[in-house]
Amino acid sequence: GAVVSQHPSRVICKSGTSVKIECRSLDFQATTMFWYRQFPKKSLMLMATSNEGSKATYEQGVEKDKFLINHASLTLSTLTVTSAHPEDSSFYICSGGWGDTQYFGPGTRLTVL
Amino acid sequence: QKEVEQNSGPLSVPEGAIASLNCTYSDRGSQSFFWYRQYSGKSPELIMFIYSNGDKEDGRFTAQLNKASQYVSLLIRDSQPSDSATYLCAVNKADTNAGKSTFGDGTTLTVKP
Repeated sequence: GAVVSQHPSRVICKSGTSVKIECRSLDFQATTMFWYRQFPKKSLMLMATSNEGSKATYEQGVEKDKFLINHASLTLSTLTVTSAHPEDSSFYICSGGWGDTQYFGPGTRLTVL
Repeated sequence: QKEVEQNSGPLSVPEGAIASLNCTYSDRGSQSFFWYRQYSGKSPELIMFIYSNGDKEDGRFTAQLNKASQYVSLLIRDSQPSDSATYLCAVNKADTNAGKSTFGDGTTLTVKP
């Protein structure tokens, strides 16, 4: 099956700093990548959809200036959480779209102190 | 009404029994249907997809789709404790970005030894 990697798997940072999360499709070209966040025991929440070479489309209520998404190539998308605060602590998951199917990365657990 | 609805559970079955997970969707134009499994603290992994009415079997898993009733289900035969997880139903609408799915909130399954 299609493989998606994420880096880092876990990050702890101080409040006010920025954190970058990388999402790579390893064995396929993902024209579309999706970013989700998930709080403990809660459902997946789609944050944004990114298409290679164009601006990301953000879901309602997601601050695009806070969650910067770059999809520079068919195999790499990045999410930068700017000026992170404790309420941004969550499990961030990316997925790559291939055909009409999504393949998820392993996720990044962000803790903001 | 949510676009994709699942029984929240938890659903508990004894080892060896059949677990039945149900999902309904509101958009009659939906074309692709997916089941993902998510273990606690992990990201979702694709189990099955189904496009046509009827049953699709893969090992111990059977997906069933009834577009007239806007209903999709997942049956797990000979349930094992390792099947204990949250199962997410996902639906793709006809006019959405490739791979963009609408997810249900998930059903938590516990298989008791």
